Amino acid sequence: QLQLQESGPGLVKPSETLSLTCTVSGDSISSNDYHWGWIRQPPGKGLEWIGNIYSRGSTYYNPSLKSRVTISVDTSKNQFSLKLSSVTAADTAVYYCARTIVVITLHYFDYWGQGTLVTVSS
Amino acid sequence: NFMLTQPHSVSESPGKTVTISCMCSSGSIASNYVQWYQQRPGSAPTNVIYEDDQRPSGVPDRFSGSIDSSSNSASLTISGLKPEDEADYYCQSYDISNPVLFGGGTKLTVL
Repeated sequence: QLQLQESGPGLVKPSETLSLTCTVSGDSISSNDYHWGWIRQPPGKGLEWIGNIYSRGSTYYNPSLKSRVTISVDTSKNQFSLKLSSVTAADTAVYYCARTIVVITLHYFDYWGQGTLVTVSS
Repeated sequence: NFMLTQPHSVSESPGKTVTISCMCSSGSIASNYVQWYQQRPGSAPTNVIYEDDQRPSGVPDRFSGSIDSSSNSASLTISGLKPEDEADYYCQSYDISNPVLFGGGTKLTVL
């Protein structure tokens, strides 16, 4: 059974970099069939896609966040990671990692982690 | 800008049928696939419809998706409503500049 688990600091100071890792079990992150993505949800609000990565390193990013986001993959640990720089209170959210199906221009998410709350505050 | 607009909330009684709409602001809804996600309180979203009308394994056939080109909208229909269907529902699609875009979400209350 595929499982994804987010991990990382729950509190980040303004202007610093948010760093999260997603550990995948039950499937190889090197699978040719899937990408791996990050989505966030501010408290009480809707979902916002952050970006996806393929095991060979190709990435897709939300244009509104692209200048601050880096997603990377570590196939040896079966993990992928998110870095979001210059954070503000507006980046406070539950951050989800998810397995992503990509078919040409179609991207969607079939397995999700449980999510982790990251608060930006001094 | 491409946007997906959903009603803020809908409500219906157990056993009834409810439809949640997702209107596309530009372009044709039929041009790009629409997905739907269910998010129960305190839980991560789960995919209930992909590629407009396909159900992932394990999703009951009470859930169905459709596209209406005349209104440029996608719809999620849930029949035989159960209390456990009470959740937030999000549509998701894409356009040429953004591979993933979510609607604002609809809160379904099962009265």
